Amino acid sequence: AQKVTQAQTEISVVEKEDVTLDCVYETRDTTYYLFWYKQPPSGELVFLIRRNSFDEQNEISGRYSWNFQKSTSSFNFTITASQVVDSAVYFCALPSDNDYKLSFGAGTTVTVRA
Amino acid sequence: DGGITQSPKYLFRKEGQNVTLSCEQNLNHDAMYWYRQDPGQGLRLIYYSQIVNDFQKGDIAEGYSVSREKKESFPLTVTSAQKNPTAFYLCASMSVLAGGTDIQYFGAGTRLSVL
Repeated sequence: AQKVTQAQTEISVVEKEDVTLDCVYETRDTTYYLFWYKQPPSGELVFLIRRNSFDEQNEISGRYSWNFQKSTSSFNFTITASQVVDSAVYFCALPSDNDYKLSFGAGTTVTVRA
Repeated sequence: DGGITQSPKYLFRKEGQNVTLSCEQNLNHDAMYWYRQDPGQGLRLIYYSQIVNDFQKGDIAEGYSVSREKKESFPLTVTSAQKNPTAFYLCASMSVLAGGTDIQYFGAGTRLSVL
């Protein structure tokens, strides 16, 4: 079965510090996608990024970057120069094989202090 | 605006009462989902539907029921059999053109409390 583990429960940083969120997953699939979502205090989940297991190239998009390592089954997400608006719960997710379902990690709460 | 609308934002349930949470989407998505979120926890899947007039149980379907009579609507009923209904409920939808790898989009949620 698919499983996603986010070992960090809470992270607190001061504005402008970098924040790295860890995600470790288990899957029997040989090809798969991975997702990161953000849940601000308002409650709605906002899609951030999707990554295909074919492509392990790390990328940067604005202040977001991600580090995908298939060998260690990890898909880490970094926020550079954090801002107060980045305060939220961040979820890593992995689709179930052929079921159109998403398995979510427990989430990491990020608090950015001014 | 395209999106997913959940209503109401807050809902209160009395003992023994059934309540229905609304979810409407105008994204023309085939698949729709209901998740439950408890404080400090991740999302757990209650029910999902890939097509009109068909739906499947998720991981925690007991005490809940759904219907999918229209593509754009997927209401969730929390029945009196659900003994601990207090939680945050999120509805999502997804295009199935890309299979299970497309993006799920979420509504703003309904917070249900027991009186």
